Order: sequence, then C-alpha cells, then structure tokens
Amino acid sequence: EVQLLESGGGLVQPGGSLRLSCAASGFNFGTYWIHWVRQAPGKGLVWVSRINSDGSSTDYADFVKGRFTISRDNARNTVYLQMNSLRAEDTAMYYCARAHGVDYWGQGTLVTVSS
Amino acid sequence: DVVMTQSPLSLPVTLGQPASISCRSSQTLVNNEGNTYLSWFQQRPGQSPRRLIYKVSNRDSGVPDRFSGSGSGTDFTLKISRVEAEDVGVYYCMQATHWPPWTFGQGTKVEI
Repeated sequence: EVQLLESGGGLVQPGGSLRLSCAASGFNFGTYWIHWVRQAPGKGLVWVSRINSDGSSTDYADFVKGRFTISRDNARNTVYLQMNSLRAEDTAMYYCARAHGVDYWGQGTLVTVSS
Repeated sequence: DVVMTQSPLSLPVTLGQPASISCRSSQTLVNNEGNTYLSWFQQRPGQSPRRLIYKVSNRDSGVPDRFSGSGSGTDFTLKISRVEAEDVGVYYCMQATHWPPWTFGQGTKVEI
C-alpha cells in the first residue's frame, strides 16, 4: 500500500524556519517525483514545489523561490521541505504527493505562522 | 502560467441525480506528444485530496464507475452519474501539461 506521511509542522513566528518531512512506503520511492502542495485554511490547493527521482532537478512556485528548499534522501525514503523566512501567508496544511500526475497524497502537516 | 477555471463553484445536488463540473484551461492542455495531463481530485471534508481521474478520462483504481471525465483541448468535464451521500466534498481539476507550476482550479463544492 502506497503511504506518504508528513511531519514537522507546527507554530512558528514570522521570519522563522521549519523543516517538513515526507516519509514514503509501499512503492519504489527512488523512481518517483515528489511534490509539496499546500492549502490555506478554507482555501484551495496550491502547488509549492517538486523534486525529481534522484534529486537532481527541482522546481518552485514563485511565491516560495529563495525561501523554500526541497530535497530528498532516497536511502531513507524521505523528502524534505526546508522553509525559511516564513510569512503569515505561508500558514497552511502542507501535503506531499507522488509522481508527475500527483496520484497519491499524504494526510498533511499543518504549518501556522503567527506571533 | 496556465489558469484553470472551474464552474460552478458551488453545486447543490440531489441524491440519485446526475451532477456535472466544468473546468477550462487558459491554453490547450495537449502536449507535443499528444497527451493531455488533466486530472480531477476529490477532497471530502477533513480529508486529504484523492485523485479520481487522470489524463482526462481514466479512472483511478477503486474509483466508482459513476465518476467519468471527458473533454479535450481547453474544456473538460467531470460527471457523476448518480450522486451518493459520500460524494459530498470539494472537487478540483489540475493540469500537469505545462509545468512548472502544476495548477489547480478553484474547487467546486458539492453539497446535498
């Protein structure tokens, strides 16, 4: 069974940092792209970032470029999202999802940016 | 960036009756190889999204056959042949042809 489990969310002050993790199981992790998608409270889905299967290629939404960094450790079946210079508008549920076609999603981890 | 526009944004439905959601893209979603990467997702209240349909009309494993997708180019439709109570939630279309970014529609809230 494909499983994606996010962790690392929490309450952080504006300007602070968090590192999210996405632990995968049930599939050949090292052959799949992974995305991060976020959803602000009561709002829609917004794509944030993606990383290719070996970590050599990444993309970011304009609103996180220069602040967020996606990476992966295929030996640990885990993708990370390092989030720096956090703003109130980054408050959201953050989901990781598998593959170019975004076929499986985790349950999400909540990030709250507030003083 | 490709803009995805869904309509309606709110869809009151009657159990057992059909329902339909439209999704339009700001440019064609057909790529140079003739593939169209348009997907539909369901998000039930309090749950994470679940993909229902990929590449316009292909149902994911375990998705009831009352869900169907159609369309081409810039116009796409998700249809529910007979709405059941478990279909309540928000439905999103998403394009993965012109990336980055992957872009979603605003969402359509289906309620009884």
